[in-house]
Amino acid sequence: SAVISQKPSRDICQRGTSLTIQCQVDSQVTMMFWYRQQPGQSLTLIATANQGSEATYESGFVIDKFPISRPNLTFSTLTVSNMSPEDSSIYLCSVTGIGDTQYFGPGTRLTVL
Amino acid sequence: DQQVKQNSPSLSVQEGRISILNCDYTNSMFDYFLWYKKYPAEGPTFLISISSIKDKNEDGRFTVFLNKSAKHLSLHIVPSQPGDSAVYFCAAKLFSGNTGKLIFGQGTTLQVKP
Repeated sequence: SAVISQKPSRDICQRGTSLTIQCQVDSQVTMMFWYRQQPGQSLTLIATANQGSEATYESGFVIDKFPISRPNLTFSTLTVSNMSPEDSSIYLCSVTGIGDTQYFGPGTRLTVL
Repeated sequence: DQQVKQNSPSLSVQEGRISILNCDYTNSMFDYFLWYKKYPAEGPTFLISISSIKDKNEDGRFTVFLNKSAKHLSLHIVPSQPGDSAVYFCAAKLFSGNTGKLIFGQGTTLQVKP
């Protein structure tokens, strides 16, 4: 399985500010995914990031709010823009491994005051 | 519309006994199912998966059963250990190898008592 790291592991931010979350994978992967887990909720896919193309966003998520970069096959960033308390969540990146298995990073716990 | 449902938010079992976690789905086009375990402050850890062409997959203490006609899958953990205490998520995928999108259930918190 791929080894995935995320930075920061947690942060406390003021409303109206933005935070960029980094995801690093120890091997080259075609597709990277960004998920969100709101408090007490399940995991929801935000967008799929492919290297060299625009990210594909799920219904309810827009690029202006969650811009994503994918500069190479091992790295991606997700920015949470103009944050509000409703953005307080755990943000997770994931990659597809052998077959259809998806592996997740440790997550970034974001609290917006 | 919740396409993947875990109707039991919590489950408590005694160490050494069997834990059975259930998951129901509504979309018959799902063709791959996965179970993840999640500890607080960590990302989900992959446990076991099953393709829709199978009805059972076993890996050590973990066995997943799939009943396509009932649109139901279950995860059996035998014997249960205190270290298994965590939140368990089932997830489903459409068209394997395509978009990669996983749809998750709400999770079941398992507590294994010593």
